[in-house]
Amino acid sequence: QQKVQQSPESLSVPEGGMASLNCTSSDRNFQYFWWYRQHSGEGPKALMSIFSDGDKKEGRFTAHLNKASLHVSLHIRDSQPSDSALYFCAGGNMGYKLTFGTGTSLLVDP
Amino acid sequence: EAAVTQSPRNKVAVTGGKVTLSCNQTNNHNNMYWYRQDTGHGLRLIHYSYGAGSTEKGDIPDGYKASRPSQENFSLILELATPSQTSVYFCASGDAGQNNERLFFGHGTKLSVL
Repeated sequence: QQKVQQSPESLSVPEGGMASLNCTSSDRNFQYFWWYRQHSGEGPKALMSIFSDGDKKEGRFTAHLNKASLHVSLHIRDSQPSDSALYFCAGGNMGYKLTFGTGTSLLVDP
Repeated sequence: EAAVTQSPRNKVAVTGGKVTLSCNQTNNHNNMYWYRQDTGHGLRLIHYSYGAGSTEKGDIPDGYKASRPSQENFSLILELATPSQTSVYFCASGDAGQNNERLFFGHGTKLSVL
């Protein structure tokens, strides 16, 4: 069973819209989560991490963590065509290597 | 920005042949990783290293070996390549000093085993 599950598999939003990506973990050993973004033909690049309950905002990106339910989400406000990419959620802990989900493909229509 | 360079960018190999994928990082990170990316599976960890001379098995190590001869270089070796190892391989480095380790990835190597 995949320890980190992401939904939806793919998502399409209009330019300027809000994109919401979800991630659920089955491993309570994870103490923090990362969001990575991968543009076509490139390697993944770290966006932001979160390890406390609640929201964390960085520019147009807001991550939300609910430790009780092990649910993480990423919300992208005012989505731009350059945000079109594959987004990975990954769980980690001190002494554990990062475990990645299967990814959500985001398409922002101009 | 951390720099991780992989070579080659593309590789075609024959079944049963030996393949070596190379990775170099210039940021003095202790940790280095090899992942493979396949549709429907995301990124899966093959091998990793805590520093020169060390290699550890990840989640899917079968059929792969790793070598870390120096702080900067980390290689992935397929002694007897099989078609099931056709994939895109990513190398990454990370700062072991951080409790919340951030990984820096290379651009990837696309491997086709025929």
